[in-house]
Amino acid sequence: AQTIHQWPVAEIKAVGSPLSLGCTIKGKSSPNLYWYWQATGGTLQQLFYSITVGQVESVVQLNLSASRPKDDQFILSTEKLLLSHSGFYLCAWSPSVWGEDTQYFGPGTRLLVL
Amino acid sequence: TQTVSQSDAHVTVFEGDSVELRCNYSYGGSIYLSWYIQHHGHGLQFLLKYYSGNPVVQGVNGFEAEFSKSDSSFHLRKASVHWSDSAVYFCAVSSYGSSGNKLIFGIGTLLSVKP
Repeated sequence: AQTIHQWPVAEIKAVGSPLSLGCTIKGKSSPNLYWYWQATGGTLQQLFYSITVGQVESVVQLNLSASRPKDDQFILSTEKLLLSHSGFYLCAWSPSVWGEDTQYFGPGTRLLVL
Repeated sequence: TQTVSQSDAHVTVFEGDSVELRCNYSYGGSIYLSWYIQHHGHGLQFLLKYYSGNPVVQGVNGFEAEFSKSDSSFHLRKASVHWSDSAVYFCAVSSYGSSGNKLIFGIGTLLSVKP
């Protein structure tokens, strides 16, 4: 069975400080990976997706970047946090890029920027 | 442009009641519709998905949803709710395009189940 792990569970960071959030998928080779952001009490918005190692596509620009250094790892980062970055960050995976494939989500990382 | 509309922000029912959470979509191409559940402070759990065939889809924990092309709807139903069903429910439409396998979510419906 596939498992998806996100770290850290939660972060409190200062405006202007750097950020790195991680996501690891176990039990599935070459998954398609996604980052979503959810404002408090709001809906989800896809930020990035990756089909393979070293390849990342940006869907929405929020002064964030993403990288895929390993087949099973997806990293979300920024050098300077903004207040608007606060929220819930969810990583997801699917077997392929096709619309009929289900996306499965991780437990999420809650971020508060002060 | 794909859109997903969940007209009810908050639905309150009693334990044992039936419930229907509404979802309407607009999209011109091949469409795949899903429902996810999010308990407070947690990630999303997949409930069910429609992409072809029988318009009534069975999901986990007694949930089912019915796809209607004529009404552009994909409403979620449960015959008898339990207090543990209290959560936010998101309807989503997915497609393949320039953004890969992109999920467009509705704003969510908060279901509160009273004892």
